[in-house]
Amino acid sequence: DGGITQSPKYLFRKEGQNVTLSCEQNLNHDAMYWYRQDPGQGLRLIYYSQIVNDFQKGDIAEGYSVSREKKESFPLTVTSAQKNPTAFYLCASSSLSKGMYNEQFFGPGTRLTVL
Amino acid sequence: GENVEQHPSTLSVQEGDSAVIKCTYSDSASNYFPWYKQELGKGPQLIIDIRSNVGEKKDQRIAVTLNKTAKHFSLHITETQPEDSAVYFCAASNPDTGRRALTFGSGTRLQVQP
Repeated sequence: DGGITQSPKYLFRKEGQNVTLSCEQNLNHDAMYWYRQDPGQGLRLIYYSQIVNDFQKGDIAEGYSVSREKKESFPLTVTSAQKNPTAFYLCASSSLSKGMYNEQFFGPGTRLTVL
Repeated sequence: GENVEQHPSTLSVQEGDSAVIKCTYSDSASNYFPWYKQELGKGPQLIIDIRSNVGEKKDQRIAVTLNKTAKHFSLHITETQPEDSAVYFCAASNPDTGRRALTFGSGTRLQVQP
């Protein structure tokens, strides 16, 4: 079964704690993305990566960090520096093959709540 | 950078009627425009997309139109059914640039009344 998995589905964090959200894909996609979704709003880009060991900041990268040690994995760490981390986090991936447009496939999301 | 505006924010239609959602974009270099459907508590699913080299694309009850001159594109759903109820997002990108990430509209909550 090909696709993108995210874990956990629900995550609770105390203020001042760092937490890491998992994202794995078996689609052999080169690019992976993290988006944040707040209630009633669209998706905003946090970080993206187009190749192993390289990643770029998106529009709202402050308070977040990522790594890309393997092609299939792109974990996101929400640090204590993120002032308002409660949100729905979505991971996506896409192929970068020549001639392929930017069809992005999304995981099921992780809902993070800060207590 | 790119900015995508989406209207309306909510849309209620009777089953069997048509629904139209409109988006405008700011970056004339954008050339890829997907539409996503998101059900409650789930990740968005791609339902249709259009490239800038075509003006219209249709897939059964769903169609998308693109006006590059005016920089707007629209989603049309005909013969709506209760299972079409969801939040719909438009997006834009230029895959030819280094970034490739999508810029999303703010979403439209579609309610189809049986």
